Amino acid sequence: SQTIHQWPATLVQPVGSPLSLECTVEGTSNPNLYWYRQAAGRGLQLLFYSVGIGQISSEVPQNLSASRPQDRQFILSSKKLLLSDSGFYLCAWGTGRVSPLHFGNGTRLTVT
Amino acid sequence: AQSVTQLDSQVPVFEEAPVELRCNYSSSVSVYLFWYVQYPNQGLQLLLKYLSGSTLVESINGFEAEFNKSQTSFHLRKPSVHISDTAEYFCAVSEEWEYGNKLVFGAGTILRVKS
Repeated sequence: SQTIHQWPATLVQPVGSPLSLECTVEGTSNPNLYWYRQAAGRGLQLLFYSVGIGQISSEVPQNLSASRPQDRQFILSSKKLLLSDSGFYLCAWGTGRVSPLHFGNGTRLTVT
Repeated sequence: AQSVTQLDSQVPVFEEAPVELRCNYSSSVSVYLFWYVQYPNQGLQLLLKYLSGSTLVESINGFEAEFNKSQTSFHLRKPSVHISDTAEYFCAVSEEWEYGNKLVFGAGTILRVKS
């Protein structure tokens, strides 16, 4: 069966520090991969998605970047965090046009 | 672009009472709809989905949702809620994309079940 792992589960970082969140998927090949951010009371916002190794599409301009160095690995990064980067970050995978997305357990990031 | 409106940010209800969580989406030629549930500090779990066919879809834990094309709605219902149903519920619609699914989410509805 397919599984998705995200780490760390929680993270507290100072403003201006770098960020690296990692997501890996097991049990499937060539999945579409997604990073969403959830801010309190504002639902989920799609940040990045990827259809294959090295291919990244960004939905909104922001202080973050994403990379996909391997088929089942998706990384969210920042060189210098802002206070506004605080939130709950969720990685997800899916296949095909009618496939639901399957989410990881998320990373709660607090920028202080 | 697709959009989803969840009309209630919070819904308080007593245990064993019925509940309806409302969801409206922007119209499209073809649409795929989903309800997800999120428990505190966890990821989202798929509750049910409408892809085609019967407009009434059901989940294994007693929730159901009805796709209404004329009203562009996909409301979630349960005839009798339990304390364990307390969670945040998200409605989502698929955005057309040649490679797969991009889901657009509503702002979420917090269901609080009281004893």
